[in-house]
Amino acid sequence: QMQLVESGGGLVKPGGSLRLSCAASGFTFSDYYMSWIRRAPGKGLEWVSYITNSGSNTYYADSVKGRFTISRDNAKNSLDLQMNSLRAEDTALYYCVVGYRKIDFWGQGTLVTVSS
Amino acid sequence: EIVMTQSPATLSVSPGERATLSCRASQSVSSNLAWYQQKPGQAPRLLIYGASTRATGIPARFSGSGSGTEFTLTISSLQSEDFAVYYCQQYNNWPPVTFGGGTKVETK
Repeated sequence: QMQLVESGGGLVKPGGSLRLSCAASGFTFSDYYMSWIRRAPGKGLEWVSYITNSGSNTYYADSVKGRFTISRDNAKNSLDLQMNSLRAEDTALYYCVVGYRKIDFWGQGTLVTVSS
Repeated sequence: EIVMTQSPATLSVSPGERATLSCRASQSVSSNLAWYQQKPGQAPRLLIYGASTRATGIPARFSGSGSGTEFTLTISSLQSEDFAVYYCQQYNNWPPVTFGGGTKVETK
């Protein structure tokens, strides 16, 4: 069955960078669009970014555009999110998910805390 | 961006009773609406898509209805494992897809 395991979260200072990774297994990774979704403490779910199955096209929420970069390696069944110029408001649990419209499957998430 | 509003924020229900959760969109999303269930410490799980189609493996006690701007998730007879937070999400106008704030179903 589908499995997604995120890693790379942690504590970072404002203005810093972090790279999240997601290891996928149990399905043909290269067939699926993939996304990152986050939930800030006490707030709702927010879509962050998605990438097409080939990796040729990417899309970003306005709140992260120009600071975050999504990428994938279909040979390694992995999805990444490079996060630069981090702000306090980026503090959230970040989920790697399968899909870009309805979300077929979610990982457990990795926590990112941006604080001085 | 389409705003999704869920009500109530918390629903207190006894096991075996029926639960009705509402979701409203700020503009029409046709039938491009999904429902997710999230239990504490777990990832969300897709329950319903296309407003009324159950995802694979979802029990028949879960049903979705509605179109346009008004949607309902009904759990016909609550089981102990159904106490959780439920989110609706529109995927008609994207990006971005947007989510409701959630309804927590708790034991009465």
